[in-house]
Formats: sequence, structure tokens, C-alpha cells
Amino acid sequence: EAQVTQNPRYLITVTGKKLTVTCSQNMNHEYMSWYRQDPGLGLRQIYYSMNVEVTDKGDVPEGYKVSRKEKRNFPLILESPSPNQTSLYFCASRERGTLNYNEQFFGPGTRLTVL
Amino acid sequence: EDQVTQSPEALRLQEGESSSLNCSYTVSGLRGLFWYRQDPGKGPEFLFTLYSAGEEKEKERLKATLTKKESFLHITAPKPEDSATYLCAVQALSGGYQKVTFGIGTKLQVIP
Repeated sequence: EAQVTQNPRYLITVTGKKLTVTCSQNMNHEYMSWYRQDPGLGLRQIYYSMNVEVTDKGDVPEGYKVSRKEKRNFPLILESPSPNQTSLYFCASRERGTLNYNEQFFGPGTRLTVL
Repeated sequence: EDQVTQSPEALRLQEGESSSLNCSYTVSGLRGLFWYRQDPGKGPEFLFTLYSAGEEKEKERLKATLTKKESFLHITAPKPEDSATYLCAVQALSGGYQKVTFGIGTKLQVIP
């Protein structure tokens, strides 16, 4: 089954404790991205990756890091989480260079709470 | 700055009562407009892509249309299983890359 998986699905942590949210896709997609979704603000892009070892900032990259060492994986790293990073996070992937520019496949989401 | 505004924020319909959701946008260099459906606790699910004014797409009870300033998602004879939040997004070329801007969404509730 074609899918994007994220782990963990739920996480409660404390300020300053480094964490990683994993994302994996089995569709051989070149393009992957991370979003956060907050009430009243909609989905906002954090980082995206056009291919292995190619990443770039989205609209709200501050406080986040990413890496793309393998095509299928795109982890999101919070080196020193703060309460304003409490949010619902989505990973997404799509084929690159097709006419369906944004037919993205989204993961199930990770609900993060930073105390 | 690219902007996407969806209205209404919430909509409650009786089963079988047709209606429309609106997505108005301000963007330079539109490359595509997209509709997604999001169920509670799940990630958005792709519905349609529209590329140019006048284009229409249909899927079951849903029909999406596009003008130069807005898009409509028409829901004909909705059923309770159509209850979800519907998201609109626009993709434009900005600073050399394809930027995506999402609206906040319209939460649709269809009552039996």
C-alpha cells in the first residue's frame, strides 16, 4: 500500500530536549516536505527537499532542521524545542516534475506538545 | 504576499442540501489551485488540481471550478460521509521555487 508514515504519532516533551520525528514514504517520490498545522493559521511549510541531499527552507523554518540522506526518509529535528513549537506536524511527498505539481500524499500527522 | 481565503469557515448542511465552498486567492504567477479533504485526526487527502480559469473537475458529488480570482467547490446532494474540512491551496513561482500556500479550510458538517 502506497503511504507516508510518521513516528511518533503523539509526543509530549519538555523545553530544550532534542527530538526527532521520522517520516518515510514507499512511493519512490523525489519531493518531500514538512508542514505544521495550527488553528487559525492553516498548513505552513517548514522545510522541503527536492531530492537526496537537497533541502531548502519553507515559510517557517526557525527552530527546525531536516536531513535527506535516503530517498525514502525525511526526518524533522527539533534541537531545542520550545512551547511555540507545540503543533500538529505533517510530512508529505509527491513526484517531482509532473504536471500534478501539488498532488501530495500526506502522512497521518504527529501531535507534538512542548511543556 | 500570496493569500488564500476560504469561506465560510464552517457550514452545516442537511443531507441532500447542495451548496458551495469558496476559495479566493491573491497570487502572482499561479501554477495551480488544489483542493484537499481532511478528516479529523488524519492528513489531508488530495481531491483536485485546477490550472487555468474556466477549468472544471468532478469527482462523485464534488465539482471544482476556477476563475482568475477564486475557486468554488460545489457539493451536490451531500451525504454524512462528506463531512470533513476542505482545504484549498495555491502554488505559485516565488523566488525561484514553487511555493504552496494553504487556506485555513471550511469545516463541513452534513446532518442525516
